Amino acid sequence: NAGVTQTPKFQVLKTGQSMTLQCAQDMNHNSMYWYRQDPGMGLRLIYYSASEGTTDKGEVPNGYNVSRLNKREFSLRLESAAPSQTSVYFCASSEAKSGANVLTFGAGSRLTVL
Amino acid sequence: DAKTTQPTSMDCAEGRAANLPCNHSTISGNEYVYWYRQIHSQGPQYIIHGLKNNETNEMASLIITEDRKSSTLILPHATLRDTAVYYCIVRVEGTGGFKTIFGAGTRLFVKA
Repeated sequence: NAGVTQTPKFQVLKTGQSMTLQCAQDMNHNSMYWYRQDPGMGLRLIYYSASEGTTDKGEVPNGYNVSRLNKREFSLRLESAAPSQTSVYFCASSEAKSGANVLTFGAGSRLTVL
Repeated sequence: DAKTTQPTSMDCAEGRAANLPCNHSTISGNEYVYWYRQIHSQGPQYIIHGLKNNETNEMASLIITEDRKSSTLILPHATLRDTAVYYCIVRVEGTGGFKTIFGAGTRLFVKA
């Protein structure tokens, strides 16, 4: 099993350009998440999807949109990229088991906005 | 905001036990404590979780106090490869359900 797959791994954008980060999981998990991590900082939750068809804002949603395309896929879109969005983006998925909810993370997507 | 507080950094000698503390005084009765770690800029890796009882797996042990207001992650024989940032997490309830919020974590340095 591949687990959680993110594409692209690296991307350089100019200010104002748009792009979509893709995330897919093959573990049949219900919940999916997008985090960003700035240098030397912890992860901050951007958006999450508790189940197919639902999405909710996290800690830092401004400047982003998400789509839960189906149970497997959860994409993150930057409509007009800004230098402040330069970061490493992590996608994760989880499934509740016996009341616990353990996340599995992708390898990350490193985005630079010039 | 994260519901946990952890020391910013800790040192540990290689081969010794690393004990990483975490305070979660506002934890509710049915919420688990989770531990993850992040090595370099890789994606965080799940370590262990617990509710009330102490837990052990192949990676670590988790000791939770009786009042559940704090816990300690124990790496019994730390190696240089255990140098990482360790995150203690209690999920936060939001409008769409519970969500996993990361704090700053503890940066563990294992020294030879």
